[in-house]
Amino acid sequence: QKEVEQNSGPLSVPEGAIASLNCTYSDRGSQSFFWYRQYSGKSPELIMFIYSNGDKEDGRFTAQLNKASQYVSLLIRDSQPSDSATYLCAVIFEGGSEKLVFGKGTKLTVNP
Amino acid sequence: NAGVTQTPKFRILKIGQSMTLQCTQDMNHNYMYWYRQDPGMGLKLIYYSVGAGITDKGEVPNGYNVSRSTTEDFPLRLELAAPSQTSVYFCASSVLGDGAFFGQGTRLTVV
Repeated sequence: QKEVEQNSGPLSVPEGAIASLNCTYSDRGSQSFFWYRQYSGKSPELIMFIYSNGDKEDGRFTAQLNKASQYVSLLIRDSQPSDSATYLCAVIFEGGSEKLVFGKGTKLTVNP
Repeated sequence: NAGVTQTPKFRILKIGQSMTLQCTQDMNHNYMYWYRQDPGMGLKLIYYSVGAGITDKGEVPNGYNVSRSTTEDFPLRLELAAPSQTSVYFCASSVLGDGAFFGQGTRLTVV
Protein backbone atom coordinates (compact mmCIF):
# COMPACT_ATOMS: atom_id res chain seq x y z
CA GLN A 1 0.00 0.00 0.00
CA LYS A 2 1.29 3.43 -0.91
CA GLU A 3 1.97 5.49 2.19
CA VAL A 4 3.02 8.88 3.42
CA GLU A 5 4.69 9.00 6.83
CA GLN A 6 5.14 11.98 9.11
CA ASN A 7 6.36 12.40 12.68
CA SER A 8 3.13 12.94 14.57
CA GLY A 9 4.80 15.31 17.04
CA PRO A 10 3.80 17.44 18.69
CA LEU A 11 6.66 19.75 17.77
CA SER A 12 7.21 22.78 19.96
CA VAL A 13 9.56 25.65 19.05
CA PRO A 14 10.11 29.13 20.50
CA GLU A 15 9.05 32.19 18.56
CA GLY A 16 11.71 33.20 16.03
CA ALA A 17 13.20 29.70 15.72
CA ILE A 18 13.28 27.43 12.68
CA ALA A 19 10.66 24.68 12.64
CA SER A 20 11.56 21.56 10.64
CA LEU A 21 8.85 19.17 9.49
CA ASN A 22 9.64 15.88 7.79
CA CYS A 23 7.83 13.44 5.51
CA THR A 24 8.72 10.19 3.76
CA TYR A 25 6.77 8.43 1.03
CA SER A 26 6.72 4.89 -0.26
CA ASP A 27 6.34 5.29 -4.04
CA ARG A 28 9.63 6.03 -5.77
CA GLY A 29 7.76 7.11 -8.92
CA SER A 30 5.91 9.98 -7.24
CA GLN A 31 6.42 13.36 -8.88
CA SER A 32 4.27 15.88 -6.99
CA PHE A 33 4.57 16.82 -3.33
CA PHE A 34 2.56 19.26 -1.24
CA TRP A 35 2.49 20.82 2.20
CA TYR A 36 -0.81 21.87 3.75
CA ARG A 37 -1.51 23.82 6.92
CA GLN A 38 -4.63 23.05 8.94
CA TYR A 39 -5.78 25.19 11.83
CA SER A 40 -7.97 23.51 14.42
CA GLY A 41 -11.52 23.13 13.16
CA LYS A 42 -10.66 24.42 9.69
CA SER A 43 -10.03 22.83 6.30
CA PRO A 44 -6.51 22.20 4.96
CA GLU A 45 -4.86 25.06 3.10
CA LEU A 46 -2.14 24.55 0.49
CA ILE A 47 1.04 26.43 1.42
CA MET A 48 3.79 24.85 -0.70
CA PHE A 49 4.30 22.47 -3.58
CA ILE A 50 7.49 21.02 -5.02
CA TYR A 51 8.16 18.83 -8.04
CA SER A 52 11.97 18.85 -8.49
CA ASN A 53 14.85 17.76 -6.30
CA GLY A 54 16.33 20.55 -4.20
CA ASP A 55 14.91 23.51 -2.35
CA LYS A 56 11.98 25.78 -3.09
CA GLU A 57 11.54 28.96 -1.09
CA ASP A 58 8.41 31.07 -0.59
CA GLY A 59 8.75 33.77 2.03
CA ARG A 60 9.49 32.15 5.39
CA PHE A 61 8.75 28.67 4.02
CA THR A 62 11.23 26.35 2.29
CA ALA A 63 10.29 22.96 0.89
CA GLN A 64 13.09 20.45 0.31
CA LEU A 65 12.80 17.34 -1.86
CA ASN A 66 15.15 14.36 -2.15
CA LYS A 67 13.63 11.79 -4.48
CA ALA A 68 16.50 9.31 -4.07
CA SER A 69 15.79 9.17 -0.33
CA GLN A 70 12.01 9.54 -0.84
CA TYR A 71 12.03 12.41 1.60
CA VAL A 72 10.38 15.82 1.61
CA SER A 73 10.63 18.46 4.32
CA LEU A 74 9.25 21.88 5.21
CA LEU A 75 11.28 24.52 7.03
CA ILE A 76 9.57 27.50 8.63
CA ARG A 77 11.98 30.31 9.44
CA ASP A 78 11.32 32.98 12.05
CA SER A 79 8.40 30.95 13.41
CA GLN A 80 5.43 32.95 14.68
CA PRO A 81 2.65 31.95 17.08
CA SER A 82 0.28 32.22 14.09
CA ASP A 83 2.19 29.29 12.53
CA SER A 84 0.82 27.02 15.26
CA ALA A 85 -1.21 24.44 13.33
CA THR A 86 -1.08 20.90 12.01
CA TYR A 87 1.06 20.50 8.89
CA LEU A 88 0.05 17.81 6.43
CA CYS A 89 2.33 16.31 3.78
CA ALA A 90 0.62 15.03 0.63
CA VAL A 91 1.88 13.07 -2.37
CA ILE A 92 0.36 12.26 -5.73
CA PHE A 93 1.15 8.62 -6.37
CA GLU A 94 1.80 7.76 -9.98
CA GLY A 95 1.25 4.53 -11.87
CA GLY A 96 -2.14 5.42 -13.30
CA SER A 97 -3.93 6.06 -10.03
CA GLU A 98 -3.28 9.78 -9.55
CA LYS A 99 -4.31 9.46 -5.92
CA LEU A 100 -3.55 12.41 -3.62
CA VAL A 101 -2.59 10.75 -0.35
CA PHE A 102 -1.94 12.54 2.93
CA GLY A 103 0.20 11.79 5.93
CA LYS A 104 -1.25 11.97 9.43
CA GLY A 105 0.18 15.44 10.01
CA THR A 106 2.55 17.03 12.51
CA LYS A 107 1.16 19.41 15.11
CA LEU A 108 3.37 22.46 15.53
CA THR A 109 3.19 24.84 18.48
CA VAL A 110 5.17 28.08 18.42
CA ASN A 111 5.61 29.50 21.92
CA PRO A 112 5.76 33.30 22.39
CA ASN B 1 -15.79 32.52 -7.58
CA ALA B 2 -16.90 30.30 -4.67
CA GLY B 3 -14.24 27.54 -5.02
CA VAL B 4 -15.35 24.25 -3.45
CA THR B 5 -18.73 24.31 -1.71
CA GLN B 6 -19.92 21.54 0.61
CA THR B 7 -23.37 21.10 2.09
CA PRO B 8 -24.50 20.57 4.76
CA LYS B 9 -21.94 21.89 7.27
CA PHE B 10 -23.31 19.78 10.13
CA ARG B 11 -25.55 16.75 10.28
CA ILE B 12 -26.69 14.20 12.84
CA LEU B 13 -27.84 10.84 11.51
CA LYS B 14 -29.38 7.90 13.25
CA ILE B 15 -27.85 4.46 12.76
CA GLY B 16 -29.17 2.92 9.56
CA GLN B 17 -30.21 6.20 7.91
CA SER B 18 -28.80 7.31 4.59
CA MET B 19 -27.72 10.71 3.30
CA THR B 20 -25.86 12.47 0.52
CA LEU B 21 -23.07 14.95 1.12
CA GLN B 22 -23.00 17.51 -1.65
CA CYS B 23 -19.86 18.96 -3.22
CA THR B 24 -19.68 21.51 -6.04
CA GLN B 25 -16.70 23.32 -7.51
CA ASP B 26 -16.69 26.22 -9.98
CA MET B 27 -13.01 26.12 -11.00
CA ASN B 28 -13.47 23.65 -13.87
CA HIS B 29 -11.14 21.18 -12.14
CA ASN B 30 -11.06 17.66 -13.50
CA TYR B 31 -9.93 16.00 -10.29
CA MET B 32 -12.18 15.75 -7.26
CA TYR B 33 -11.68 13.92 -3.96
CA TRP B 34 -13.56 12.93 -0.85
CA TYR B 35 -11.66 12.55 2.42
CA ARG B 36 -12.63 11.82 5.98
CA GLN B 37 -10.73 13.07 8.99
CA ASP B 38 -11.15 11.48 12.39
CA PRO B 39 -10.14 13.44 15.53
CA GLY B 40 -6.37 13.93 15.73
CA MET B 41 -5.80 12.04 12.50
CA GLY B 42 -4.82 12.89 8.97
CA LEU B 43 -6.99 12.72 5.90
CA LYS B 44 -8.05 9.34 4.53
CA LEU B 45 -9.09 9.15 0.90
CA ILE B 46 -12.56 7.66 0.39
CA TYR B 47 -13.15 8.07 -3.35
CA TYR B 48 -11.76 10.22 -6.10
CA SER B 49 -12.62 11.13 -9.69
CA VAL B 50 -10.39 12.14 -12.59
CA GLY B 51 -13.27 13.47 -14.67
CA ALA B 52 -16.99 13.26 -15.37
CA GLY B 53 -18.10 9.64 -15.49
CA ILE B 54 -14.90 8.27 -13.91
CA THR B 55 -14.55 7.37 -10.24
CA ASP B 56 -12.21 5.13 -8.25
CA LYS B 57 -11.83 3.86 -4.72
CA GLY B 58 -9.43 5.36 -2.25
CA GLU B 59 -8.13 3.95 1.04
CA VAL B 60 -11.45 3.62 2.92
CA PRO B 61 -14.36 3.23 0.42
CA ASN B 62 -16.52 0.74 2.34
CA GLY B 63 -19.93 2.13 3.28
CA TYR B 64 -19.79 4.94 0.72
CA ASN B 65 -20.70 5.52 -2.90
CA VAL B 66 -20.03 8.35 -5.32
CA SER B 67 -21.05 9.52 -8.76
CA ARG B 68 -19.65 12.15 -11.11
CA SER B 69 -22.17 13.06 -13.79
CA THR B 70 -20.79 16.59 -14.34
CA THR B 71 -17.41 18.29 -13.94
CA GLU B 72 -18.80 20.49 -11.16
CA ASP B 73 -20.52 18.01 -8.85
CA PHE B 74 -19.19 15.06 -6.86
CA PRO B 75 -21.75 13.86 -4.27
CA LEU B 76 -20.88 11.28 -1.61
CA ARG B 77 -23.61 8.86 -0.57
CA LEU B 78 -23.69 7.14 2.82
CA GLU B 79 -25.91 4.09 2.95
CA LEU B 80 -26.93 2.54 6.29
CA ALA B 81 -24.99 4.94 8.49
CA ALA B 82 -22.89 3.45 11.27
CA PRO B 83 -21.21 5.10 14.31
CA SER B 84 -17.83 4.38 12.68
CA GLN B 85 -18.76 6.93 10.00
CA THR B 86 -18.81 9.76 12.53
CA SER B 87 -16.15 12.08 11.15
CA VAL B 88 -15.44 15.32 9.34
CA TYR B 89 -15.75 14.94 5.58
CA PHE B 90 -13.81 17.12 3.17
CA CYS B 91 -14.30 17.48 -0.55
CA ALA B 92 -11.43 18.82 -2.66
CA SER B 93 -10.69 19.55 -6.30
CA SER B 94 -7.57 20.08 -8.38
CA VAL B 95 -6.03 20.26 -11.81
CA LEU B 96 -3.82 17.25 -12.63
CA GLY B 97 -0.54 17.47 -10.78
CA ASP B 98 -1.47 20.60 -8.81
CA GLY B 99 -2.41 20.98 -5.17
CA ALA B 100 -6.01 20.44 -4.19
CA PHE B 101 -8.37 23.11 -2.88
CA PHE B 102 -10.68 22.07 -0.07
CA GLY B 103 -14.24 22.83 0.88
CA GLN B 104 -15.16 23.87 4.42
CA GLY B 105 -16.06 20.35 5.51
CA THR B 106 -19.14 18.52 6.77
CA ARG B 107 -19.19 17.43 10.40
CA LEU B 108 -21.24 14.22 10.59
CA THR B 109 -22.33 12.47 13.76
CA VAL B 110 -24.03 9.06 13.67
CA VAL B 111 -25.95 8.17 16.84
